[in-house]
Amino acid sequence: QKEVEQDPGPLSVPEGAIVSLNCTYSNSAFQYFMWYRQYSRKGPELLMYTYSSGNKEDGRFTAQVDKSSKYISLFIRDSQPSDSATYLCAMWKGGSYIPTFGRGTSLIVHP
Amino acid sequence: DTAVSQTPKYLVTQMGNDKSIKCEQNLGHDTMYWYKQDSKKFLKIMFSYNNKELIINETVPNRFSPKSPDKAHLNLHINSLELGDSAVYFCASSPGRSYEQYFGPGTRLTVT
Repeated sequence: QKEVEQDPGPLSVPEGAIVSLNCTYSNSAFQYFMWYRQYSRKGPELLMYTYSSGNKEDGRFTAQVDKSSKYISLFIRDSQPSDSATYLCAMWKGGSYIPTFGRGTSLIVHP
Repeated sequence: DTAVSQTPKYLVTQMGNDKSIKCEQNLGHDTMYWYKQDSKKFLKIMFSYNNKELIINETVPNRFSPKSPDKAHLNLHINSLELGDSAVYFCASSPGRSYEQYFGPGTRLTVT
């Protein structure tokens, strides 16, 4: 079992839908949680960054961390075709600068 | 203005060859990284340099040798290329030892 599990999808939704992307992890030492967006043939782009449990909102994006369940989520409201990309979660143990990435979920938002 | 750039974008070469990938960042960051993304899309850190000093070396075969001539540049040299080295290699940078990393566009290496 990998330390970070992420369903590769693809997840296909209509424009305007609320999208929920998730990662589960097994190591309770993870404290820092990131979401990256990666367009096809491009580098990952940092979207959201949260520390420990709780919610963080930025425009149409909300990141949620539930450390008790070892579960993190990224919600996208009013999804747009331009949101079509692969979304990667990443996490770090406190004091370590070695990230562990999920394999990414491919999201397709169709008009 | 490209923040993190890599050259070349594509690299096709034969087994046994030696090749280099270059990375430059103009963000003023002092920490740079090399990552490998395999065909299953897993992104794994290989190396990190902070102010030209190697701080992370993640059990990468010693055929891979990073070099940082200054804090804006981090190159990756690979000797005796093998089929399993085929992947996309990403360079990234961050301000200090930060979790906020900024990635380059990637170099797609194909070893035949």
